[in-house]
Amino acid sequence: AQSVTQLDSQVPVFEEAPVELRCNYSSSVSVYLFWYVQYPNQGLQLLLKYLSGSTLVKGINGFEAEFNKSQTSFHLRKPSVHISDTAEYFCAVGFTGGGNKLTFGTGTQLKVEL
Amino acid sequence: KAGVTQTPRYLIKTRGQQVTLSCSPISGHRSVSWYQQTPGQGLQFLFEYFSETQRNKGNFPGRFSGRQFSNSRSEMNVSTLELGDSALYLCASSTGEGAAGELFFGEGSRLTVL
Repeated sequence: AQSVTQLDSQVPVFEEAPVELRCNYSSSVSVYLFWYVQYPNQGLQLLLKYLSGSTLVKGINGFEAEFNKSQTSFHLRKPSVHISDTAEYFCAVGFTGGGNKLTFGTGTQLKVEL
Repeated sequence: KAGVTQTPRYLIKTRGQQVTLSCSPISGHRSVSWYQQTPGQGLQFLFEYFSETQRNKGNFPGRFSGRQFSNSRSEMNVSTLELGDSALYLCASSTGEGAAGELFFGEGSRLTVL
């Protein structure tokens, strides 16, 4: 079985500051990793994904994440946030043969302040 | 390209009733997955359908069921509703091919059980 831990339920940050949202996972098999964003009253949108290859993954809206197998982490970063980045961010894990059965973390609410 | 469409967007039911939710995936997508989102449990996988066959199933009781039609549209049904079934039900579509792919989520159907 897989599990995902998002260590911070809320992260406040000032506009133009850098941010890191943390994600750790547990799995007995090789995994695929994802970050999704959910804006109020909307569905989820994929930010980026790691399937294989380079451990540094770049996504939309200037976000990037680094897969660290030894630390079982997949932290999300952005060097300079904008007010419009205020949303809830979910880390998720899938696995070979699991199709689109993803296990999600509990989410991190990013609040960008002026 | 039209996105994932879920109907109805909002509905209110009473305990013991049943409900059917509908999802129209993006054109050309053959996989439809359903997730339940609640404040307490977060996002939990219900089931995935691919080419009219259930490919994966989560850990929900038999009251939760689904199906997929030949045009890839999907429905999920919850019978004998309980208060705890109040949630946002999200549908996601993907091509369903190969490794876990990018999921495109609808805006969800918000179910309130009184």
